[in-house]
Amino acid sequence: QKEVEQDPGPLSVPEGAIVSLNCTYSNSAFQYFMWYRQYSRKGPELLMYTYSSGNKEDGRFTAQVDKSSKYISLFIRDSQPSDSATYLCAMSPFENQGGKLIFGQGTELSVKP
Amino acid sequence: GAVVSQHPSWVICKSGTSVKIECRSLDFQATTMFWYRQFPKQSLMLMATSNEGSKATYEQGVEKDKFLINHASLTLSTLTVTSAHPEDSSFYICSARGGLYNSPLHFGNGTRLTVT
Repeated sequence: QKEVEQDPGPLSVPEGAIVSLNCTYSNSAFQYFMWYRQYSRKGPELLMYTYSSGNKEDGRFTAQVDKSSKYISLFIRDSQPSDSATYLCAMSPFENQGGKLIFGQGTELSVKP
Repeated sequence: GAVVSQHPSWVICKSGTSVKIECRSLDFQATTMFWYRQFPKQSLMLMATSNEGSKATYEQGVEKDKFLINHASLTLSTLTVTSAHPEDSSFYICSARGGLYNSPLHFGNGTRLTVT
């Protein structure tokens, strides 16, 4: 079993739809949770960064962490064609672990105009 | 925001030659940089952790003599793929942390290596 599981998609939605992206994980030591967006042939770009459980909102993006269920989500409201990319969840355990991130496989999202 | 520059963005080399990839933190000092490898439609796989002024820490299964990492300053780390083979063709990405060890990573734009 992988430490982080993410549905690779592809996920196709119409413009304006609400998108829900999810990851599950098995290591209860994970404390820091991130979402990255990666366009084709580019490096990942940090979208959201959260610590422990709870919600965090930034514009059209909302990140949710449920540590009791070992489940994190990223919601995109009013999705745009420019949101088409691969979304990677990432997480890390205790802060003295040297900063290594464990990534999900990434979900490929396509927003159709 | 923090900027990480990676060079070159793509490179083609012949089998048996060596290729050097540079990773620079442009507006912050990075005591730690990470090197990843990514195959098409797959996630990032950590290859090694690069610490300024000391030897890199390699992940299990990564050949340290093949993938040479140097982190000579707080703003520059290099990855050299030695005696490259076609199976080394991949997308190599570096990342850096600009603050505390629990702050998020910022990534370069990657280097696409093709070995012919």
